[in-house]
Amino acid sequence: QSVLTQPPSVSGAPGQRVTISCIGSSSSLGAAYDVHWYQHLPGTAPKLLIYGNSNRPSGVPDRFSGSKSGTSASLAISGLQAEDEATYYCQSYDNSLSGWVFGGGTKLTVL
Amino acid sequence: QVELVQSGAEVKKPGASVKVSCKVSGYTLTELPMHWVRQAPGKGLEWMGGFHAEEGETIYAQKFQGRVTMTEDTSTDTAYMELSSLRSEDTAVYYCATKGGDFWSGFDSWGQGTLVTVSS
Repeated sequence: QSVLTQPPSVSGAPGQRVTISCIGSSSSLGAAYDVHWYQHLPGTAPKLLIYGNSNRPSGVPDRFSGSKSGTSASLAISGLQAEDEATYYCQSYDNSLSGWVFGGGTKLTVL
Repeated sequence: QVELVQSGAEVKKPGASVKVSCKVSGYTLTELPMHWVRQAPGKGLEWMGGFHAEEGETIYAQKFQGRVTMTEDTSTDTAYMELSSLRSEDTAVYYCATKGGDFWSGFDSWGQGTLVTVSS
């Protein structure tokens, strides 16, 4: 069981908007630690999608956005495209574990 | 542009150790805090440990303390992760990952991954 809780799966049709939640605790997101989001395609290395809660690295489309409030965070993907089909992970620091933790991952299916 | 190139796949017997390497190019290893993340088959990403530049020490996930050692050879810009007392549950793809920012930044560069299979 992951310290950060994500839904196992979400789906949406092309062009639609989906959100992926990431629920932490008082020792992770609630302790004001930033959340980062990764996109992971099978057979490839994870890719940093959002850092510092809501910032996009250069090259990441503005269809991807992140937010954080209290002990939860979310990743929103608008204008869904077939190429967005992947598994998405949130990551934060947990001071009770003294280390980085990942969510369990959410598999996005584009219908 | 940082590039991380990892060593090839390994097959190990239970109880053995494995040492995975990660060579840095584009930067020197002293400029980059190296971390290690793994993914077991059908499972999610799991942080194993890494260098905390602000503290000047390597920190390990509690789960792996006593069983993992992360080292660096700055003369060849190569980082290493050694995991001992292997068991079948350690079968996974192991990634090295680093960040251009401080300890609190996300991992913006990753190696290609090294598959470690533990089987008798």
